[in-house]
Amino acid sequence: SQQGEEDPQALSIQEGENATMNCSYKTSINNLQWYRQNSGRGLVHLILIRSNEREKHSGRLRVTLDTSKKSSSLLITASRAADTASYFCATDSRAGGTSYGKLTFGQGTILTVHP
Amino acid sequence: DAGVTQSPTHLIKTRGQQVTLRCSPKSGHDTVSWYQQALGQGPQFIFQYYEEEERQRGNFPDRFSGHQFPNYSSELNVNALLLGDSALYLCASSLSGRYYGYTFGSGTRLTVV
Repeated sequence: SQQGEEDPQALSIQEGENATMNCSYKTSINNLQWYRQNSGRGLVHLILIRSNEREKHSGRLRVTLDTSKKSSSLLITASRAADTASYFCATDSRAGGTSYGKLTFGQGTILTVHP
Repeated sequence: DAGVTQSPTHLIKTRGQQVTLRCSPKSGHDTVSWYQQALGQGPQFIFQYYEEEERQRGNFPDRFSGHQFPNYSSELNVNALLLGDSALYLCASSLSGRYYGYTFGSGTRLTVV
């Protein structure tokens, strides 16, 4: 079963614009991660934010986490046509304090950036 | 630094058959997880192997089984294939006890006809 929901399901923007994707989840987490997937192939890890962090930056990416609302957002600034892909949030929950994490994914946001 | 390698990339099988998918983890990683991704959906966790044992399992029937070898590589076996098993199967490796992102392979596209 999916952990949460992503919003919007699809997003279409022009190059240079910013893209914001939102993710909600249901259970407590250790960390939340964002991944990109091109054309139904492998997932590429973009950024990880721990449960005790509120905001994190990596290049053109900005991620926020609100554990009280069980939600996260991914902002891609100055988007490029090469950013066209599906973006997934995934929560990493480690039951019983074990080291054996597993990812629970949302259904993803399809981002299309037009040149 | 080799990433995660999966084989084969594509596979077509007939209902009722059995299939084995293979995964070599990223160098230095000791934990392998398998995910199933149906078309248009997010990946779903199948199971995870560490120290050659299944450590966690998702909501998948016993037809799905796996193995991890001493060199940390892993296999996913699916018996009695159903049409609904058609999906992209992704392998992800990680280092136990480290809260880093996982490294995913490019996946195996399984089509059951």
